[in-house]
Amino acid sequence: SYELTQPPSVSVSPGQTAKITCVGHNLESKYVAWYRQKAGQSPNLVIYKTTVRPPGTPERFSGSSSGNIATLSITDSQGADEGDFYCQAWDDFKVVFGGGTKLTVL
Amino acid sequence: ELQLVESGGGSVQPGGSLRLSCVASGFTFHHISWIRQAPGKRLEWVATIGPDGRDKKYVDSVEGRCTMARDNAKKSFYLEMTSLRVEDTATYYCVRANSMGGTVTITGALDTWGQGTVVSVSS
Repeated sequence: SYELTQPPSVSVSPGQTAKITCVGHNLESKYVAWYRQKAGQSPNLVIYKTTVRPPGTPERFSGSSSGNIATLSITDSQGADEGDFYCQAWDDFKVVFGGGTKLTVL
Repeated sequence: ELQLVESGGGSVQPGGSLRLSCVASGFTFHHISWIRQAPGKRLEWVATIGPDGRDKKYVDSVEGRCTMARDNAKKSFYLEMTSLRVEDTATYYCVRANSMGGTVTITGALDTWGQGTVVSVSS
């Protein structure tokens, strides 16, 4: 079965750029979505089709992909950006999530 | 604005059954998925159903034990779960899969999530 691998945690200082990676075989041939889940809340879509921000996602959030690695970047990181971030892709009719990355801004 | 509201969760013993329901307001004709999250764990896809209910797919761990259905006239979606196991304990989210202008299984994203309903399986 298809797998996506994320680092369990990423820490960044306020104002710096956070980068969260997502690795998958042949990922360059797939579109990737990213979700943020704050404590006690449902996940929320922040990036789709690898690079597109839906309405409501701050411009500080951006997505990119190179080879088998997709990356979510958050510039000028703020405390409000903290949460668990999940990457997601499709494998035929199946939804595949990465293991999630806990972003801490401190 | 589209909203999804789940219900039907609860506490059951191993081997028991539950029927989860999800009602949409601002309904549109989209794929719907059920995603679950065990306490403190990652998101896990459970099942997806196509707009007309004909296409369905399940994660291997629930195949044969779960059935997904929809009633578009009632703007409702269902996940029937039988032979429940302790490892099925999780919050279950009803989620819209939006094609984002392409084919849902290529460009799609899960753009609307319900608040979740909790399923607890224990003896």
